[in-house]
Amino acid sequence: EDKVVQSPLSLVVHEGDTVTLNCSYEVTNFRSLLWYKQEKKAPTFLFMLTSSGIEKKSGRLSSILDKKELFSILNITATQTGDSAIYLCGARFRGGTSYGKLTFGQGTILTVHP
Amino acid sequence: NAGVTQTPKFQVLKTGQSMTLQCAQDMNHEYMSWYRQDPGMGLRLIHYSVGAGITDQGEVPNGYNVSRSTTEDFPLRLLSAAPSQTSVYFCASSYRRQGGGSPLHFGNGTRLTVT
Repeated sequence: EDKVVQSPLSLVVHEGDTVTLNCSYEVTNFRSLLWYKQEKKAPTFLFMLTSSGIEKKSGRLSSILDKKELFSILNITATQTGDSAIYLCGARFRGGTSYGKLTFGQGTILTVHP
Repeated sequence: NAGVTQTPKFQVLKTGQSMTLQCAQDMNHEYMSWYRQDPGMGLRLIHYSVGAGITDQGEVPNGYNVSRSTTEDFPLRLLSAAPSQTSVYFCASSYRRQGGGSPLHFGNGTRLTVT
């Protein structure tokens, strides 16, 4: 069964700290791994990773994928209170009518205190 | 360009009632899906569709039906609501691309309470 596991489930830090969020996956016929940020409403897209070892970066956020060890990390440097959110990791796999099916982990709740 | 539109935003049902959650997208996305979100459970896939006339089950399909008669619309039907279906429901869509695929675009969710 396809599975995505995130850790930690929750994290409390102070502004300026650096955080690393983890995502491991067990999916057959892996296609890509996606990270989303969810504040009050809909999840918003952060990164999509398909190749091992290539870092994707957007401002203070960065992410990398290791397809050999089946995990990804999301780093946030110099955290701000606006980074407080649920961070969701999802793995997409291929196969038959499951084309594009995206399985998510439980999410990591990040709280950044001033 | 409205993106993914879900209605209603909030709904309260009594046990045994039926209802349909609406989802429409105007991005010409082939792929559409429904998730439910419960505390500590992340997003769990209910049903999905890779194109008009094609649907399939996700992880938690029991108690829900879907159909996809047009590219734009993907309604989710609750046949006989149960308290266990109290949740926040998200509809999401994407292009159907080769390789890694394309990111999902989410609607703003429907908060459903079943009493």
